Amino acid sequence: DTEVTQTPKHLVMGMTNKKSLKCEQHMGHRAMYWYKQKAKKPPELMFVYSYEKLSINESVPSRFSPECPNSSLLNLHLHALQPEDSALYLCASSQDLGGLPDTQYFGPGTRLTVL
Amino acid sequence: AQKVTQAQTEISVVEKEDVTLDCVYETRDTTYYLFWYKQPPSGELVFLIRRNSFDEQNEISGRYSWNFQKSTSSFNFTITASQVVDSAVYFCALSVINSGGGADGLTFGKGTHLIIQP
Repeated sequence: DTEVTQTPKHLVMGMTNKKSLKCEQHMGHRAMYWYKQKAKKPPELMFVYSYEKLSINESVPSRFSPECPNSSLLNLHLHALQPEDSALYLCASSQDLGGLPDTQYFGPGTRLTVL
Repeated sequence: AQKVTQAQTEISVVEKEDVTLDCVYETRDTTYYLFWYKQPPSGELVFLIRRNSFDEQNEISGRYSWNFQKSTSSFNFTITASQVVDSAVYFCALSVINSGGGADGLTFGKGTHLIIQP
């Protein structure tokens, strides 16, 4: 089973709201990722977690706060977002092979609109 | 730094035609992995294939085939007898060994929007 689930599918929030995106996988993967994808653009890496520890932060603004409570779950907490943060947020997971790339499996994404 | 170029922004063909999507990559690493993903309008990225830099064998999976040529740094994707359901954005991506020891993200090309007309 190569399934990554994400909730919610759609989210509309105001600039003063606090919301969270959730991602879950049960493939035993120990690497999890957040990507941001603007319309008609490729996905851009935001964060990487390896064994529940944040290993890569691609200079993402602090209004995005990731959290990995356990090996199956990944959250992205959102606060004081801007309209330009509206995008498709994709979660992915893979084996963590100690630096050797492995296939990343993606969830369906959360379409976020910031008003 | 890594770079992936998909020069074809959009391709439109009539159903049953064969179509090839081009992918050219740049990296100084000798060990790297190449991927193709399909993104239908629903948004989910669907994994299609992975190739490592030491395996230049071409691969065929049903109507899909991939041609990996290190000499030209290309990893092209061909769909034979295209179908309307093949309509999607296709991304080529590259990943190299992370010297820091942990997982790392993918470097994506800009994608090719494939339109199959009935």
